[in-house]
Amino acid sequence: QVQLVESGGGLVKPGGSLRVSCAASGFTFSDDYMSWIRQAPGKGLEWVSYISTSGSNIYYADSVKGRFTISRDNAKNSLYLQMNSLRAEDTAVYYCARVRGWSNWYFDLWGRGTLVTVSS
Amino acid sequence: DIQMTQSPSTLSASVGDRVTITCRASQSISSSLAWYQQKPGKAPKLLIYKASSLESGVPSRFSASGSGTEFTLTISSLQPDDFATYYCQQYNSYVTFGGGTKVEIK
Repeated sequence: QVQLVESGGGLVKPGGSLRVSCAASGFTFSDDYMSWIRQAPGKGLEWVSYISTSGSNIYYADSVKGRFTISRDNAKNSLYLQMNSLRAEDTAVYYCARVRGWSNWYFDLWGRGTLVTVSS
Repeated sequence: DIQMTQSPSTLSASVGDRVTITCRASQSISSSLAWYQQKPGKAPKLLIYKASSLESGVPSRFSASGSGTEFTLTISSLQPDDFATYYCQQYNSYVTFGGGTKVEIK
């Protein structure tokens, strides 16, 4: 079954850190570009980060640059997002998503998301 | 940064209605536009890519058009399963989503 399953969300205090993960199955993960996208409660979608197949090309939204780090482990079919210096405005459901191609940054497979809440 | 503006933000319609949603880009994005459907508590689902290409498995009542800065998504005959929020997304320069259009029951 082709799917993405996120995990690792939870409650964290402002200034704290958290790592969320995404497990891929049913497709050749190492062949696909991946992204993280988030959605604050009751709000729209916001792209967070992108990583190429080998991890050699990485991009971030300005809102998370310098605080978040995307990575992948192709041997484990897993995608990660390390989030540091978290702020209240980082509270959101974090989705991992498969990118259709290196020049086509739209998302054809999404996980169900994991909720990250930043609050004291 | 490229800004994406959707209108309307909310749309009330009945089953069987023809529905059109508009998405405008702050600068030309050629045909680098996708449309998604999202239901409450669920992940978005890709409907359209490259401005007008229907994703596999998506019903043919969904269609889309446009290029440059103006784009539309049309549902030819609204079905009960179509009540949801719709987002456009540009991928000409990184990624930006529109603010969403909620299609609700009239």
